[in-house]
Amino acid sequence: GDSVTQMEGPVTLSEEAFLTINCTYTATGYPSLFWYVQYPGEGLQLLLKATKADDKGSNKGFEATYRKETTSFHLEKGSVQVSDSAVYFCALSESDYKLSFGAGTTVTVRA
Amino acid sequence: GAGVSQSPSNKVTEKGKDVELRCDPISGHTALYWYRQSLGQGLEFLIYFQGNSAPDKSGLPSDRFSAERTGGSVSTLTIQRTQQEDSAVYLCASSWDRGAEAFFGQGTRLTVV
Repeated sequence: GDSVTQMEGPVTLSEEAFLTINCTYTATGYPSLFWYVQYPGEGLQLLLKATKADDKGSNKGFEATYRKETTSFHLEKGSVQVSDSAVYFCALSESDYKLSFGAGTTVTVRA
Repeated sequence: GAGVSQSPSNKVTEKGKDVELRCDPISGHTALYWYRQSLGQGLEFLIYFQGNSAPDKSGLPSDRFSAERTGGSVSTLTIQRTQQEDSAVYLCASSWDRGAEAFFGQGTRLTVV
């Protein structure tokens, strides 16, 4: 079945550092890929998405590129801020509709 | 409403009691999901509704768990004879169609004592 594997945390960074969270997936077809974020005390919200190979999703300075050849969708941000502290979830959805999530990566950014 | 609404936001119940959790999806969204997030854990899929199709119940952890969706809109997740291991945040999400991005509610934090 479909599955998502993402980098285990927690990840602790200093402000302005570069952030990468690795995500790889297993799917039988051509899924849509997502990154969701959960800020402290808030609900899950979509950060970015990509629906086909080589698409790049971007939002709030974060980027992720759909790499079919490596079945990956790594999340990157060039300069993190304290406000980026959150739990990040990689997810996929295939034509069979179900959203499958990774385990989540907790990111803490120190001032 | 503007977003997915869940109620109650918090629920404390005694072991062995039944609980009902409610989800109001975004108007017009045909797909509705229930997930569970236990302390320090990821998101565990529970059940999925799509339009009038039979729901995908493959994620329900035991027969104590059930869910229904009336009129293609509001959904209720019922947990019978609650156990302490049922303590978690129960999240509801909806999307306009299969494969589309999901919008999540704030969740119901269930504590079984």
